[in-house]
Amino acid sequence: AQKITQTQPGMFVQEKEAVTLDCTYDTSDPSYGLFWYKQPSSGEMIFLIYQGSYDQQNATEGRYSLNFQKARKSANLVISASQLGDSAMYFCALMDSWGKLQFGAGTQVVVTP
Amino acid sequence: DTGVSQNPRHKITKRGQNVTFRCDPISEHNRLYWYRQTLGQGPEFLTYFQNEAQLEKSRLLSDRFSAERPKGSFSTLEIQRTEQGDSAMYLCASSLRTNTEAFFGQGTRLTVV
Repeated sequence: AQKITQTQPGMFVQEKEAVTLDCTYDTSDPSYGLFWYKQPSSGEMIFLIYQGSYDQQNATEGRYSLNFQKARKSANLVISASQLGDSAMYFCALMDSWGKLQFGAGTQVVVTP
Repeated sequence: DTGVSQNPRHKITKRGQNVTFRCDPISEHNRLYWYRQTLGQGPEFLTYFQNEAQLEKSRLLSDRFSAERPKGSFSTLEIQRTEQGDSAMYLCASSLRTNTEAFFGQGTRLTVV
C-alpha cells in the first residue's frame, strides 16, 4: 500500500522569502509520479508541478521547484520569492503505476507582508 | 474545451434521500477520478476509471455509493440513503494517462441536513 505524508500542518512565510514544504512517501512501485497542488480558499485544485520517479533532474516550474530525493523518498516543494497570492493549502500527491492518485493531508501556507 | 465540469455545484438534501452528481472530464482524457474532501483535510480517494472500466474502489465507498462511467465519457456518483457524515466536497478529476497531471473540477458541495 502506498502512503504519503505531509508533517507540517501550517507555515508562515514573509513576502519575497522562500519556503520549503515537506512531503515524504512510501510505495513499492518502481514507477510512480509525485505531484503538488495548490488549493486557495476558493476551493479549486491547481496543478503546480510534477516529478516522475525516473526523472534525473529535479522539476522546476517558474517559482516552484521540487527537491526530489529518491533514496529518502521525499519530494519537497520549494516556493521562491513568495507572494501574497501564494497563501493557500498545498497538497502533495502520489500516483502509482496503475494511475491511482493519493493525496497527503496538506500544509496551510500564509504569506505575510 | 473548458476543463472538468461538475454539476451541481451545491446540493442540500435531507437525510435518507438519494443524490447523484455528474462529472464531465476533459475530452480525450481516459482517466477519471472521484475524491471526497472534508474541511481541513486532503482529498480522499474514492474510485477511478480508465475509460469505462472502474479500476479500484476505496473502502470509503460503502454500499450506498456507486459510480459509473458509461461509454467512457461523463461519470456519475450516486449516494443512496444519505447520512449527515456524507456532507463534504466531492471532487472529480481527469487525466490523459498515467503520470500526467490530473485536472480537477470545481467540486460539488453536499450538505445533508
